[in-house]
Amino acid sequence: SQQGEEDPQALSIQEGENATMNCSYKTSINNLQWYRQNSGRGLVHLILIRSNEREKHSGRLRVTLDTSKKSSSLLITASRAADTASYFCATVTSNSGYSTLTFGKGTMLLVSP
Amino acid sequence: NAGVTQTPKFQVLKTGQSMTLQCAQDMNHNSMYWYRQDPGMGLRLIYYSASEGTTDKGEVPNGYNVSRLNKREFSLRLESAAPSQTSVYFCASSVQGGNSPLHFGNGTRLTVT
Repeated sequence: SQQGEEDPQALSIQEGENATMNCSYKTSINNLQWYRQNSGRGLVHLILIRSNEREKHSGRLRVTLDTSKKSSSLLITASRAADTASYFCATVTSNSGYSTLTFGKGTMLLVSP
Repeated sequence: NAGVTQTPKFQVLKTGQSMTLQCAQDMNHNSMYWYRQDPGMGLRLIYYSASEGTTDKGEVPNGYNVSRLNKREFSLRLESAAPSQTSVYFCASSVQGGNSPLHFGNGTRLTVT
């Protein structure tokens, strides 16, 4: 069953604009991770944010986490055509002492030159 | 440093045939995973191996078996392929569980006719 749900399903912007993607989830988490997938390739890890953190930055990426609203957002600033990809959030919960990731269905981002 | 390597990249099977998908990682990671990705469904966990010598079912294990051959290798076997198993299969590894980033292979595209 999907834990994280990304919104929007698809996003089309121009180069230089900012892109914001949101992720909502249902149960308590250990951490939340964001991944990027280019067409025909495997997923690439972007950022991990722990449940006691509220914001993390990595280059042009900014991730926020609001555990009271059970939601996270990924902001890509000054987007480039090379940012065109699908973006997935993955929530991490513990089950019998072991933690696994549950992925959402993703947001497809298209950045036009 | 190859990361996570999956073989084969593409495979076509007839209904009822069997095959094994191979996965190897060279990062000395303890945990390994098999996911399938279907259009509109995101990634769903089939099986995982928390550490060498252990395997556990994920969300969609029916029709599959796995073997953690050693620390490096984690194989996925389809004993009697069905059209519903047409999908893209991804292997991933992490240092330990979901509290560290997952590293993905580039996938095996399987079609069952």
